[in-house]
Amino acid sequence: QKEVEQDPGPLSVPEGAIVSLNCTYSNSAFQYFMWYRQYSRKGPELLMYTYSSGNKEDGRFTAQVDKSSKYISLFIRDSQPSDSATYLCAMSPNYGGATNKLIFGTGTLLAVQP
Amino acid sequence: DAGVIQSPRHEVTEMGQEVTLRCKPISGHNSLFWYRQTMMRGLELLIYFNNNVPIDDSGMPEDRFSAKMPNASFSTLKIQPSEPRDSAVYFCASSLPFYGYTFGSGTRLTVV
Repeated sequence: QKEVEQDPGPLSVPEGAIVSLNCTYSNSAFQYFMWYRQYSRKGPELLMYTYSSGNKEDGRFTAQVDKSSKYISLFIRDSQPSDSATYLCAMSPNYGGATNKLIFGTGTLLAVQP
Repeated sequence: DAGVIQSPRHEVTEMGQEVTLRCKPISGHNSLFWYRQTMMRGLELLIYFNNNVPIDDSGMPEDRFSAKMPNASFSTLKIQPSEPRDSAVYFCASSLPFYGYTFGSGTRLTVV
């Protein structure tokens, strides 16, 4: 079993829809949770960063972490065609110092249709 | 800041040849990571450095792969000899502690 599981999609939604992207994980030591967005033929870029459990909102994006269920989500409100990309979750047991590595999910391909 | 700079953007080589990928991290970032991305396996961490010192190379697939970071502003990933199964996009990323990674644009490697 992989440490981080993510549905690869593809996920196709109409413009304006609410999108829900999810990851599950097995390592209860994970404390830092991130979402990256990757456009075609580009490197991933950091979208959201949360520590431990709870919600974090940034514009149309909301990240949720449920550590009891080992489940994280990214919600996109009022989705736009420009949101079409691959979304990767990433997590780490600790961050900073000598053990500073992220484990990535395989990514979910999202297409927002105009 | 120009971001993380990788070269070359594309590399096509014949099986058995040596391949060298290059990375310039963001100035001031003390961690550097090499990842490989394929459709089947997603993003795989190959090796990472803290303050120019290799910390974890457990993801390096085999002895054909090697990585160096001679100073804070440069790193290389070398494959010798290359094989068709090494074909992938190779990303370099850098970071500060407690911040997310900044990725380069990647090197698309094709071994024929």
